[in-house]
Amino acid sequence: GNSVTQMEGPVTLSEEAFLTINCTYTATGYPSLFWYVQYPGEGLQLLLKATKADDKGSNKGFEATYRKETTSFHLEKGSVQVSDSAVYFCALSALIKAAGNKLTFGGGTRVLVKP
Amino acid sequence: DTAVSQTPKYLVTQMGNDKSIKCEQNLGHDTMYWYKQDSKKFLKIMFSYNNKELIINETVPNRFSPKSPDKAHLNLHINSLELGDSAVYFCASSRILTSGGNTGELFFGEGSRLTVL
Repeated sequence: GNSVTQMEGPVTLSEEAFLTINCTYTATGYPSLFWYVQYPGEGLQLLLKATKADDKGSNKGFEATYRKETTSFHLEKGSVQVSDSAVYFCALSALIKAAGNKLTFGGGTRVLVKP
Repeated sequence: DTAVSQTPKYLVTQMGNDKSIKCEQNLGHDTMYWYKQDSKKFLKIMFSYNNKELIINETVPNRFSPKSPDKAHLNLHINSLELGDSAVYFCASSRILTSGGNTGELFFGEGSRLTVL
């Protein structure tokens, strides 16, 4: 079956530090890949996505590149802010019965950015 | 307007009770989902409905029964609540997938935190 593995947290950084969260996946076919972010007390929001190999998703200074050869979708940000403190989830999408869509999530990585 | 809304946001109840969580989306999506997030933040799909038809049913106890009166609503009813049911339940929706269309993005509600005492 499909699975997503991401680095365990928490990851604690200082403001303006470089952030990398590793994500690797196992899937049949050609899934779409996503990073979702969950701020404290809130639901999940899509951060960025990539739908095919070598695509780069980017948003709010975050980037991730769909690497089929290494089955990876690592999230990076060059200079984090305190407001980036959240839990980040890597996910892949599998088409079910040509109608539904099943997102398989990684375990989440908590990121804490200190001033 | 909230795109995916869930009620209640918090629910505290005793073991053995029956409770429901409601979800509504105003995005015009055809597919809706329920996910469970445990205390370690792990997210797992429970159910998915497409246009009122059940299409995903993971290994969830049959005490959990989803109901979709129309494609904009997907409610979750839980019978005989147990301590292990304590979690945050997220509703989500997405467009129907067609060839060359949807990339699989889900839109989530803010979650309903269920605490079973």
